[in-house]
Amino acid sequence: AQSVSQHNHHVILSEAASLELGCNYSYGGTVNLFWYVQYPGQHLQLLLKYFSGDPLVKGIKGFEAEFIKSKFSFNLRKPSVQWSDTAEYFCAVTATDSWGKLQFGAGTQVVVTP
Amino acid sequence: EPEVTQTPSHQVTQMGQEVILRCVPISNHLYFYWYRQILGQKVEFLVSFYNNEISEKSEIFDDQFSVERPDGSNFTLKIRSTKLEDSAMYFCASTPLRGQGAYGYTFGSGTRLTVV
Repeated sequence: AQSVSQHNHHVILSEAASLELGCNYSYGGTVNLFWYVQYPGQHLQLLLKYFSGDPLVKGIKGFEAEFIKSKFSFNLRKPSVQWSDTAEYFCAVTATDSWGKLQFGAGTQVVVTP
Repeated sequence: EPEVTQTPSHQVTQMGQEVILRCVPISNHLYFYWYRQILGQKVEFLVSFYNNEISEKSEIFDDQFSVERPDGSNFTLKIRSTKLEDSAMYFCASTPLRGQGAYGYTFGSGTRLTVV
């Protein structure tokens, strides 16, 4: 069965600091990988996704993620965060041979202080 | 940009009552999903639906739950006899392609269900 683990449950950092959120998955087959963001009181929004090709994926709002197949990892990065990046971030995986079921990680709450 | 619309945004119901959560997926999408998020916990898959039938469901989706696409535009989740532990945010999602293709999921804003 698929599983997704996110390394940090809660991250606090200052504006302009760099952010890296870890995500590891376990699945024996081919997967598609996603990072979603949930701002307070809002729905899930797609930040970026990886299906194939270049393992370094660029998303919206200056976020990027790198797929390292040998490590089963898909870490999210942003070089310089802003206060508006305060949100919960979810890594998610779906198997390419599935009906599209997304398996989510537990989420990382990111708080950016001014 | 097309949206997945969910109604109501918040529903309060008494334990044991039936609730129907409604979703209008994006019109040309073919695959539909329900997820839930209990407060403070991760988002959990409930069910996927394609071609008017359930294609996959989780262990959470027991006999108390059912889904329907009654009229070609709405996609509903029914909970027959609600329990306190059904209190959660319920998200509907749709996608045009199996495995999502290049478009990915589109999630609705969610319905917060509170069972009292």
